[in-house]
Amino acid sequence: GAGVSQSPRYKVAKRGQDVALRCDPISGHVSLFWYQQALGQGPEFLTYFQNEAQLDKSGLPSDRFFAERPEGSVSTLKIQRTQQEDSAVYLCASSLDRAQETQYFGPGTRLLVL
Amino acid sequence: AQSVTQLDSQVPVFEEAPVELRCNYSSSVSVYLFWYVQYPNQGLQLLLKYLSGSTLVKGINGFEAEFNKSQTSFHLRKPSVHISDTAEYFCAVSGSGGSYIPTFGRGTSLIVHP
Repeated sequence: GAGVSQSPRYKVAKRGQDVALRCDPISGHVSLFWYQQALGQGPEFLTYFQNEAQLDKSGLPSDRFFAERPEGSVSTLKIQRTQQEDSAVYLCASSLDRAQETQYFGPGTRLLVL
Repeated sequence: AQSVTQLDSQVPVFEEAPVELRCNYSSSVSVYLFWYVQYPNQGLQLLLKYLSGSTLVKGINGFEAEFNKSQTSFHLRKPSVHISDTAEYFCAVSGSGGSYIPTFGRGTSLIVHP
């Protein structure tokens, strides 16, 4: 079956613009994670959903970042009033459930804020 | 709190030589441990994971890792590398007691020369 897909793959935004990044998880996967990966770094946790419930958003760097998963499937990460420091690759991952389950990652969205 | 240290940012090696990528972690609770591989412009793919049981874990593509609780290490090894193993490798740790948020290391770039 299809893996995790993300769109767009690349996004260039002017500072101050709002952006929306989409994640389509593997069908049936309960858990969904968003990560931010800066250049030369490992992924850093942003937020976690179990079905439609956002159980943890402790990693969101500011209130400009907002994520939703209204029907427990597709998720959107929105960044308002983008800043240059938001430039990074945003990764989405899904898993069946629980910490020990394998996370399947999408290819990421590379965001560049000019 | 938990953390991961990947001691080598870059590991160059010749094709068919053995390789070891080092990972040390710290955590106040019991852990799950993971190794992921990331090829250019792709998401992360799970190589192997330690949840419990045997401390020697075998993964895909001929990789294996050994969990050493006393040394808080989870080093990744392969007896003979191929050019196609050139990629970024990430070690990750999560708590086994319900804390589902993984912490990733900064990554080790494995460069296989012909």
